[in-house]
Amino acid sequence: DAGITQSPRHKVTETGTPVTLRCHQTENHRYMYWYRQDPGHGLRLIHYSYGVKDTDKGEVSDGYSVSRSKTEDFLLTLESATSSQTSVYFCAIKPGLGGDGGETQYFGPGTRLLVL
Amino acid sequence: GQQLNQSPQSMFIQEGEDVSMNCTSSSIFNTWLWYKQDPGEGPVLLIALYKAGELTSNGRLTAQFGITRKDSFLNISASIPSDVGIYFCAGQLGTGNQFYFGTGTSLTVIP
Repeated sequence: DAGITQSPRHKVTETGTPVTLRCHQTENHRYMYWYRQDPGHGLRLIHYSYGVKDTDKGEVSDGYSVSRSKTEDFLLTLESATSSQTSVYFCAIKPGLGGDGGETQYFGPGTRLLVL
Repeated sequence: GQQLNQSPQSMFIQEGEDVSMNCTSSSIFNTWLWYKQDPGEGPVLLIALYKAGELTSNGRLTAQFGITRKDSFLNISASIPSDVGIYFCAGQLGTGNQFYFGTGTSLTVIP
């Protein structure tokens, strides 16, 4: 258990409405990530953060914004949701280098979003 | 983005059989990770690999970091029903902050 929670776990919304998803971690990791998962595409990176107020775009960032005002929280916002943003959204953290000198990534439980 | 080709896309096997799957890339990776995802849950890390040629086991699972650093392999021995799920590979370029994911192998174990 990497101490990652996501909220809400499920959400149904209408096209054009704003939506914010929250990722919360309890272990003060510097790096946090938002992915979306769609059939046939695997996990694709939306945005990631490397510290408070430090973020960068991923492969599929259009239509999404993020904010990180505290180490433990990373928010993903869909300013005006579209049906193409129906997906399962996963938050992940990357701990510091392990004892073997390598890096890993751990995932939260996911948020299922349906945009009607 | 980086393309990771994962194969096979799906497998249907009898309980007790061994399973092999692989992941290939056109780029050289410094880290390979293997995950399992159960329905409705997030991916769970199974094995991490950091050196070319490295062979690492986790119970009945064994993964290898390919010598060329462009591929990785996962083997499951003596499969059981709880092995059912989707297995993903992920690779990291150099010391970059991003991981790139394969499209997954769906495993079905027939009792």
